[in-house]
Amino acid sequence: ETGVTQTPRHLVMGMTNKKSLKCEQHLGHNAMYWYKQSAKKPLELMFVYSLEERVENNSVPSRFSPECPNSSHLFLHLHTLQPEDSALYLCASSQGEHSGANVLTFGAGSRLTVL
Amino acid sequence: GQNIDQPTEMTATEGAIVQINCTYQTSGFNGLFWYQQHAGEAPTFLSYNVLDGLEEKGRFSSFLSRSKGYSYLLLKELQMKDSASYLCAVKDSNYQLIWGAGTKLIIKP
Repeated sequence: ETGVTQTPRHLVMGMTNKKSLKCEQHLGHNAMYWYKQSAKKPLELMFVYSLEERVENNSVPSRFSPECPNSSHLFLHLHTLQPEDSALYLCASSQGEHSGANVLTFGAGSRLTVL
Repeated sequence: GQNIDQPTEMTATEGAIVQINCTYQTSGFNGLFWYQQHAGEAPTFLSYNVLDGLEEKGRFSSFLSRSKGYSYLLLKELQMKDSASYLCAVKDSNYQLIWGAGTKLIIKP
């Protein structure tokens, strides 16, 4: 496998469920990101991990809980979500976090629907 | 506040040329990116501009004017596979990426 892989690609959950999104990168990058993509809105940065330490948490509700066990894997744990959390959740990785030209490599995303 | 503006949707004809504009107001500037995203797929990197001028990569070119807070992505010899959303993003003085909402490009035969 190459690039950034996200599972599951589609997820439907009730408001009381607990589920997790998984991201794996095979690029040897040292920074990983979670983004939320809603229709006709800019990408919203949720979390950044650099060298496995969380360096950014953009006022994301506590019902979203990230985990980065190593530099290749990133999880987003979901619990008691709201219907407005329905969106495409994109994982990305890069080599270096703050350098000017570092390019993000994205996964194809996990399409989440909260009923 | 920081803001990136780009058209919501554009339509063009196969074989033609299309220009997608992006204007930005950010606190500082450390480069501008264009990404392409086909429906249901990952965004993929197209170009990076940090100095004024035109960068050409095959059928795609990207232009930057820092004094005007303006960029465009130029697509030549359009093909049906170019139907996608095009995302403009700027790195601000803190190296945070500020994203536009994307431009959906529809190519017609």
